Amino acid sequence: DGGITQSPKYLFRKEGQNVTLSCEQNLNHDAMYWYRQDPGQGLRLIYYSQIVNDFQKGDIAEGYSVSREKKESFPLTVTSAQKNPTAFYLCAAGGQGTSGNTIYFGEGSWLTVV
Amino acid sequence: QKEVEQDPGPLSVPEGAIVSLNCTYSNSAFQYFMWYRQYSRKGPELLMYTYSSGNKEDGRFTAQVDKSSKYISLFIRDSQPSDSATYLCAMRVFNKFYFGSGTKLNVKP
Repeated sequence: DGGITQSPKYLFRKEGQNVTLSCEQNLNHDAMYWYRQDPGQGLRLIYYSQIVNDFQKGDIAEGYSVSREKKESFPLTVTSAQKNPTAFYLCAAGGQGTSGNTIYFGEGSWLTVV
Repeated sequence: QKEVEQDPGPLSVPEGAIVSLNCTYSNSAFQYFMWYRQYSRKGPELLMYTYSSGNKEDGRFTAQVDKSSKYISLFIRDSQPSDSATYLCAMRVFNKFYFGSGTKLNVKP
């Protein structure tokens, strides 16, 4: 079954802990993205990667880190430096050129700080 | 000023009504325009994707782009209770995407 797989679906974190959200895609898309969604604020870009071993900060990168060691995988680490990490996190993948002028989303991961 | 503006609603309509959802934008460099549907606690699902000004139809959905007015619309004909969701508009320039905050739609049986 093709698509974008995010795990875990629900995650609880204690204050001061780092957590890593997984994102895997088998769509063979070059670009991958991480967004954060808060009520009433739409989607905000955290990080994006256009190619393996390269990534760029988005609008709200502080307190987050990523890696892109494989085309299929783009994990997001929410560090203890992120002051308000409770949110819905969405991973997306898209191509470039005429075959990929849009992006497709995973089912999301809910992170709650307890 | 936000790059993309979208009325958050909620918008409540009876089953069978025609629904009009709209977004305005400020960046004339936006090239591609998309509509996503998001059910509660799920990831957004791509509904429509357009490039040029004009209309694009897919079943009960019609996407309309007016680049001169920087205005896009999504029309839903014969709306169904299963259409109840949040609808997000999105726009692309180069490799970055910009999203509206979403309009929550409720279709009453």
